[in-house]
Amino acid sequence: GAVVSQHPSWVICKSGTSVKIECRSLDFQATTMFWYRQFPKQSLMLMATSNEGSKATYEQGVEKDKFLINHASLTLSTLTVTSAHPEDSSFYICSAGRGRLPYEQYFGPGTRLTVT
Amino acid sequence: GESVGLHLPTLSVQEGDNSIINCAYSNSASDYFIWYKQESGKGPQFIIDIRSNMDKRQGQRVTVLLNKTVKHLSLQIAATQPGDSAVYFCAENQGGKLIFGQGTELSVKP
Repeated sequence: GAVVSQHPSWVICKSGTSVKIECRSLDFQATTMFWYRQFPKQSLMLMATSNEGSKATYEQGVEKDKFLINHASLTLSTLTVTSAHPEDSSFYICSAGRGRLPYEQYFGPGTRLTVT
Repeated sequence: GESVGLHLPTLSVQEGDNSIINCAYSNSASDYFIWYKQESGKGPQFIIDIRSNMDKRQGQRVTVLLNKTVKHLSLQIAATQPGDSAVYFCAENQGGKLIFGQGTELSVKP
C-alpha cells in the first residue's frame, strides 16, 4: 500500500512553454502533498506544501506564479511550470502525506523536466 | 544555466562490510527523523525512522542512532550488498515539512 505515482516520468519542452506534472496517491487519501525539486548531485529542496481545497504554501524563494500548484482532490495534486526556461530543468518529486503529524510521506518516482 | 552545487560525499565499502552513514541535522526542535535511499532517476525510498524520544531503532539490516546532544543521526547498514549502492538522505521533520540533508553516495565494491 501507499503508492504514489507521477505523470509524466520525463518531459522535454521548449523554452517559454508550460508543463503540467501530476501526482496521485493511488491507494490512500493524502492529507497533504508536497513538491520537491532536485538538481543533479544535490539534495531534495521543498518547493511547496499543498492541502486539498486550499492554496499551496510556498517555501521562501519559490515563485508561486511560476510554479502553480493545484490540489483538486485528496488523491491528486498538479504542478504547472509556467513559461519554462532552461534553468527550470530539474527532477521534480512529489510526496503524499498520510495520517497525522508527523506525516508518513510517500514519494513518487519523480519527473525529469528538460527545457530546451 | 544550471546551478553549481556541492558534490555529494561518497562512501565506498566492500561487499559484506558494515556501512555507517552520518548526518548532522539543523533544528534541535525537530521531533522525527527519517532515512531515505534514492537510486538514480528514482524517488526516495523510506528505510527507517526514529522519533526524538528514542536514541536507537533497528530494522532489517539497518540501525538508526540519534544523538540529540550534538544533533547527529547515523544509519548503519549491516553486511552491505551491491543492491545497497545508492544515495542516502536523512530528513528531519519540522512542523510537518521534511528538510533533507545533503546526502551521501554509497558505493559497494563486489
